[in-house]
Amino acid sequence: DARVTQTPRHKVTEMGQEVTMRCQPILGHNTVFWYRQTMMQGLELLAYFRNRAPLDDSGMPKDRFSAEMPDATLATLKIQPSEPRDSAVYFCASGLEFEGTPEAFFGQGTRLTVV
Amino acid sequence: KNEVEQSPQNLTAQEGEFITINCSYSVGISALHWLQQHPGGGIVSLFMLSSGKKKHGRLIATINIQEKHSSLHITASHPRDSAVYICAARERRRSGGGADGLTFGKGTHLIIQP
Repeated sequence: DARVTQTPRHKVTEMGQEVTMRCQPILGHNTVFWYRQTMMQGLELLAYFRNRAPLDDSGMPKDRFSAEMPDATLATLKIQPSEPRDSAVYFCASGLEFEGTPEAFFGQGTRLTVV
Repeated sequence: KNEVEQSPQNLTAQEGEFITINCSYSVGISALHWLQQHPGGGIVSLFMLSSGKKKHGRLIATINIQEKHSSLHITASHPRDSAVYICAARERRRSGGGADGLTFGKGTHLIIQP
């Protein structure tokens, strides 16, 4: 049963701490997306990778956020230092794109609370 | 900047009713996504379409590129269809390379009562 796996599912941390969220995309998918969802803003696209290369991270605050794909089976989203306004649910999604835009399969999300 | 508007924001209907959720956007797009978010928070991608109509089970999605409008229909609605439905428009960027921008609507909160 292929699925996108995100860890951890829940994270509570203190302001100023580093947070790392991990995502295992579906095997064979060549695109990975990171989204953030808050009550105020709804869903926002943070970063988008194709074939492990970052294509668009314009939605991500560059001073504290970083997204990487060290290999095809792992995508990471880091926040350093974390702030209370980063509290949100972070979703990872993966898809298969050759030409045109891909459909995306979503992970269960990581609920981050920064206190 | 692409503006994506959904209507209605909230919809309560009786089981069996035909449901329509609307999405309009302001700039040229390469594709439009419909997502379903369950009460538990999980998100499922329902459709991705760039023209015409797609059907999956009781769900139908249509898009009119000229009018910059898409609709999601649910036939014979059921309480398990209760969820938030989100449309997301992928903007076509003029410059070569890079990713097309994705803008989300605020979602339509649907409740189907038995």
